[in-house]
Amino acid sequence: GAGVSQSPSNKVTEKGKDVELRCDPISGHTALYWYRQRLGQGLEFLIYFQGNSAPDKSGLPSDRFSAERTGESVSTLTIQRTQQEDSAVYLCASSLGPSQEQYFGPGTRLTVT
Amino acid sequence: KNQVEQSPQSLIILEGKNCTLQCNYTVSPFSNLRWYKQDTGRGPVSLTIMTFSENTKSNGRYTATLDADTKQSSLHITASQLSDSASYICVVIGNDYKLSFGAGTTVTVRA
Repeated sequence: GAGVSQSPSNKVTEKGKDVELRCDPISGHTALYWYRQRLGQGLEFLIYFQGNSAPDKSGLPSDRFSAERTGESVSTLTIQRTQQEDSAVYLCASSLGPSQEQYFGPGTRLTVT
Repeated sequence: KNQVEQSPQSLIILEGKNCTLQCNYTVSPFSNLRWYKQDTGRGPVSLTIMTFSENTKSNGRYTATLDADTKQSSLHITASQLSDSASYICVVIGNDYKLSFGAGTTVTVRA
């Protein structure tokens, strides 16, 4: 399909392990965003990419969180030494440009046990 | 304090009835306001987008209104259907790329 895809759809990991979440944006979309959505709560901005640079990392909750993007393509969000509070749905979105309509992927549900 | 406040937090309505969701925001300067529908286990999907100069925007049975002076928006669902059961999220975009999300209103439509 032509939408934003994310993998895995579900991830269960043990506390202390590292996880890597993947986002494939819509082809041609230069802007890419990561959000976190805890159960019953609103969306929380994590990081924004324009191309492969990240002008805004202000939403990353701690230095255990990092993200990178290859060109205007795939992005990975890495969480090191996962904690139970990291359990959430991680959503990725992409847009043609920074102020334009964002299209969301289905999310990755992360459960830290 | 969140810059986008939505009410009610949740509501239950009977199929065929109408309902109105509220969104108050403090984001300034303001570029546009969007309403998203998020089905359980899915990513949000855009319903309407309004700039500060628009007062109303419709998408089928969904009608959004905006009062930029009072910084209020509403989403009206007409003749609700079971498939309208979802979370509805108000998103306000400032004069940069940043989105401010409301916590959402969970709508449950019952037969």
